[in-house]
Amino acid sequence: LAKTTQPISMDSYEGQEVNITCSHNNIATNDYITWYQQFPSQGPRFIIQGYKTKVTNEVASLFIPADRKSSTLSLPRVSLSDTAVYYCLVGRMDSSYKLIFGSGTRLLVRP
Amino acid sequence: DAGITQSPRHKVTETGTPVTLRCHQTENHRYMYWYRQDPGHGLRLIHYSYGVKDTDKGEVSDGYSVSRSKTEDFLLTLESATSSQTSVYFCAIRIGQGAQEQYFGPGTRLTVT
Repeated sequence: LAKTTQPISMDSYEGQEVNITCSHNNIATNDYITWYQQFPSQGPRFIIQGYKTKVTNEVASLFIPADRKSSTLSLPRVSLSDTAVYYCLVGRMDSSYKLIFGSGTRLLVRP
Repeated sequence: DAGITQSPRHKVTETGTPVTLRCHQTENHRYMYWYRQDPGHGLRLIHYSYGVKDTDKGEVSDGYSVSRSKTEDFLLTLESATSSQTSVYFCAIRIGQGAQEQYFGPGTRLTVT
């Protein structure tokens, strides 16, 4: 599986846009990029998934450049409730179980 | 949201005692997973199931066993609990086309004294 590298932590303020970048230099052709969010004392929550270019849903956008060696999770106008740990995962869709969660990025949103 | 519950939510037990954690889902998803989460290690897969009576090991399966006699229930058993098994345990179900889209339960905090 492609290894991912993310910043350990980020700070932001309410109302700002937050971009969290994940590096995955050895991503394979069949790999997809998935982001999860985890609040304290809760299980991780699936946010968004993509293969290339841009994906947008009601929660976030995912930007993937042409070489796919990195990806950026964009959270528009964050609020205090977006304070959480964000995980970037890379893997094949047909993998039976291989979700590998790294250390993630701890986002702190300040008033 | 997928219906998934875990029981108990909190448990304190003594070293050497058997412990069973239950994961229950209401939507007949085929794949179910047990993870543990510890500070400094992120989430690690213990066991998973790809159907009734079909299970396989994950990366940290030693000391754990699982059973799935019904689609909706996936049980994790610690045959003889040790202090190193103190952790938060999460159950998950696969809800999307691929293995990367999983829905997690609320977790069980287990303390082995």
